Amino acid sequence: SQKIEQNSEALNIQEGKTATLTCNYTNYSPAYLQWYRQDPGRGPVFLLLIRENEKEKRKERLKVTFDTTLKQSLFHITASQPADSATYLCAWGSSASKIIFGSGTRLSIRP
Amino acid sequence: DADVTQTPRNRITKTGKRIMLECSQTKGHDRMYWYRQDPGLGLQLIYYSFDVKDINKGEISDGYSVSRQAQAKFSLSLESAIPNQTALYFCATSDSKGTSGSSYNEQFFGPGTRLTVL
Repeated sequence: SQKIEQNSEALNIQEGKTATLTCNYTNYSPAYLQWYRQDPGRGPVFLLLIRENEKEKRKERLKVTFDTTLKQSLFHITASQPADSATYLCAWGSSASKIIFGSGTRLSIRP
Repeated sequence: DADVTQTPRNRITKTGKRIMLECSQTKGHDRMYWYRQDPGLGLQLIYYSFDVKDINKGEISDGYSVSRQAQAKFSLSLESAIPNQTALYFCATSDSKGTSGSSYNEQFFGPGTRLTVL
């Protein structure tokens, strides 16, 4: 069955370092990938989208990569700050209707 | 005002009761979705609607029904609630004519409804 895996439930790093989150897929051929941020008690908020023919996308301190050979996306936050602490969800999509969310990685940035 | 609103925000009910969760949006989007989120699991799609006359089942539609009363309103009903429907429910919208491309489905989520079925 189609499956999305985010490599860890929780990640704890020190302020100023780069946080790297991983999202893998199996039995799936996605056309695009999205990353969302979710704060406690709130709905997810869209951050970035990358298409299958793109290797890398950047937005301010965020960078996303898409490797169709490894079937993996990496999400990087550089110069991390305590305010970046949240749960980050990846979502793979093959069409407008078919989108599968991962269970999320809870990121904690300690001062 | 929030672009996507959900009512109620919290609800506690008993097994067997009929429950309706409502979602409204002011974004002018044509597509609307209902998801549930359980601890340790990803968002699971219950139903989605691409316009008022187009409603489709998601991966976990059993035990749920929906109504798209207008482009801006999409309601989720639990006909006879059971305890394993206790979860956080999210409504989302997307725009088929969005700048990110009609196939790429950036979704805008509401604040969620926390439902507890006793």
